[in-house]
Amino acid sequence: QVQLQESGPGLVKPPETLSLTCTVSGGFSSSYYWSWIRQAPGKGLEWIGYIYYGGTTKYNPSLTSRVTISVDTSKNQFSLKLASVTPADTAVYFCARGITLGGIVAPHFDHWGQGTLVTV
Amino acid sequence: SLDLTQPPSLSVSPGQTATISCSGDQLGRKYVFWYQQKAGQSPVLVIFHDEKRPSGIPERFSGSNSGNTASLTISVTQAIDEADYYCQTWDGSTASFGGGTKLTVL
Repeated sequence: QVQLQESGPGLVKPPETLSLTCTVSGGFSSSYYWSWIRQAPGKGLEWIGYIYYGGTTKYNPSLTSRVTISVDTSKNQFSLKLASVTPADTAVYFCARGITLGGIVAPHFDHWGQGTLVTV
Repeated sequence: SLDLTQPPSLSVSPGQTATISCSGDQLGRKYVFWYQQKAGQSPVLVIFHDEKRPSGIPERFSGSNSGNTASLTISVTQAIDEADYYCQTWDGSTASFGGGTKLTVL
């Protein structure tokens, strides 16, 4: 049973850096797309980025200048750093596992954390 | 990233069929995924690869994708299906979500 749990400060002041960690239990492998997704209050989902096999990262073009996603396989964790935050970055931040099936290189998010609210 | 357009809301009566659309440029050439998010909860995958249901998702959930529009259909809609629904696809290595559709069952 795969479980993901976000952790980190619930309040960040501008223009500091938002830092969150996602701890994975029940199966941590570099063959998945470990992802961050956020949801501003009352709004829709916004993909932030992922880290994949060997440390390959991809980020949302709208955030790429401020985002860093890293992984610590020894701790079964991956992390998000978002620099120079503003109130517009206030959101619930979800970590999620992306998986590909049948050789189709289009991951879907099959396991999600419960989300953590970060207020800027 | 690809812009995906969904209707903001949809209301159906219990037992009716709910169809939620998701429009985007040449969307039919891409794989589409659908997520259900109930109030205060994390999203749950209900459809992947346009039309496939994950284990544990009821058969009343189905999907299709052609041309510029993908659709999520919920047949015999139940009160427990009331939620926000999001479509999602990939444009190269960038994921895009639709704005979400609030499904009300009344």
